[in-house]
Amino acid sequence: AQSVTQLDSQVPVFEEAPVELRCNYSSSVSVYLFWYVQYPNQGLQLLLKYLSGSTLVKGINGFEAEFNKSQTSFPLRKPSVHISDTAEYFCAVSEIGGQGGKLIFGQGTELSVKP
Amino acid sequence: AAGVIQSPRHLIKEKRETATLKCYPIPRHDTVYWYQQGPGQDPQFLISFYEKMQSDKGSIPDRFSAQQFSDYHSELNMSSLELGDSALYFCASSLTNSWEAFFGQGTRLTVV
Repeated sequence: AQSVTQLDSQVPVFEEAPVELRCNYSSSVSVYLFWYVQYPNQGLQLLLKYLSGSTLVKGINGFEAEFNKSQTSFPLRKPSVHISDTAEYFCAVSEIGGQGGKLIFGQGTELSVKP
Repeated sequence: AAGVIQSPRHLIKEKRETATLKCYPIPRHDTVYWYQQGPGQDPQFLISFYEKMQSDKGSIPDRFSAQQFSDYHSELNMSSLELGDSALYFCASSLTNSWEAFFGQGTRLTVV
């Protein structure tokens, strides 16, 4: 079984400041790791994923994340946020070799970017 | 590019009524997944189908049932609706053995 913990439910930050959203996971099997973004009243959009290879992965909108296997963490970072980044962010895992669309999500982090 | 289509986008039902949500996957995708996202909650996996057969089951109430049809679209049937069923219901589709699933915009169900 897998579980995902997002340690911050809300992260307020000023525009152009850097941000890091924390994510830790637990799994008895190898997993793929994902970050999704959800804008108000919208669906889930894939930001980035870690499948294998380089532990630093870059996604859309200037976001990046770094897989740390020893700490079972996958924090999402952006060096300079914009007002338009205000949204809910979900970290998720899926079992390698399992159904790709069967995801276990974290509780979500609400990123609020203030001018 | 074609995306996952869900209908309706919004639905209001009364307690004890029945609702049917529809999902049209991306063309050639053979696997469909359903998720429920309650207010302020993370999406929870309900059920999935591959080639019209149920492939996995999550925390889906017995009052709910789903199926996948020959054209690969899927329907989620919800009976004896309760206030707690009010949520955003997502459908996602993928090719089998693919790591990537694509999500629809969701159906917002409100039970009053």
